[in-house]
Amino acid sequence: GAGVSQSPSNKVTEKGKDVELRCDPISGHTALYWYRQRLGQGLEFLIYFQGNSAPDKSGLPSDRFSAERTGESVSTLTIQRTQQEDSAVYLCASSANRGREQYFGPGTRLTVT
Amino acid sequence: AQSVTQLGSHVSVSEGALVLLRCNYSSSVPPYLFWYVQYPNQGLQLLLKYTSAATLVKGINGFEAEFKKSETSFHLTKPSAHMSDAAEYFCAVSDDSWGKLQFGAGTQVVVTP
Repeated sequence: GAGVSQSPSNKVTEKGKDVELRCDPISGHTALYWYRQRLGQGLEFLIYFQGNSAPDKSGLPSDRFSAERTGESVSTLTIQRTQQEDSAVYLCASSANRGREQYFGPGTRLTVT
Repeated sequence: AQSVTQLGSHVSVSEGALVLLRCNYSSSVPPYLFWYVQYPNQGLQLLLKYTSAATLVKGINGFEAEFKKSETSFHLTKPSAHMSDAAEYFCAVSDDSWGKLQFGAGTQVVVTP
């Protein structure tokens, strides 16, 4: 069956521009998570959705980062006024329910020049 | 609060030799524990998970891990390494109600002929 998909796979943007990253979770998965993987570092949790509400936004690094989710479907992570330190691979994962195993998408590699 | 420590950022093993990747965690409640593998330019794939049903957990590709509460460890092993096991391996813990994962820094495995 279809797994988690993310688009674009690669994004190069200039410093100061806004970017939108998209995640399509596995159909029926109510929980959705965003993580960030910076070069040479582990994965950092960004935000968690249960349905279309976000009870845990504790990992968002600044108010330039925001995310939304439509129902139990697509999620968009938006980064405003991008900075070079935002360069990373952004990974999305979905789960049938919180606490269950998470299935990851291939990620979006963001490069801010 | 939860945290994960993976000992050794790089491990080199000979083909056919034992693979041992170490993971220690801290958690204030009984955790869920996971091992994920990441092949180059791909997302994370679940290898195995511990959810308190059994302390010895078998996963895909011949990997297994043992949960030792007294040692707060969840080390990953494979009796005989294959060239295809070359990848980065991440240990992760989840102990909060939202299911978010706290990852270790990762261990890069190199398999030599």
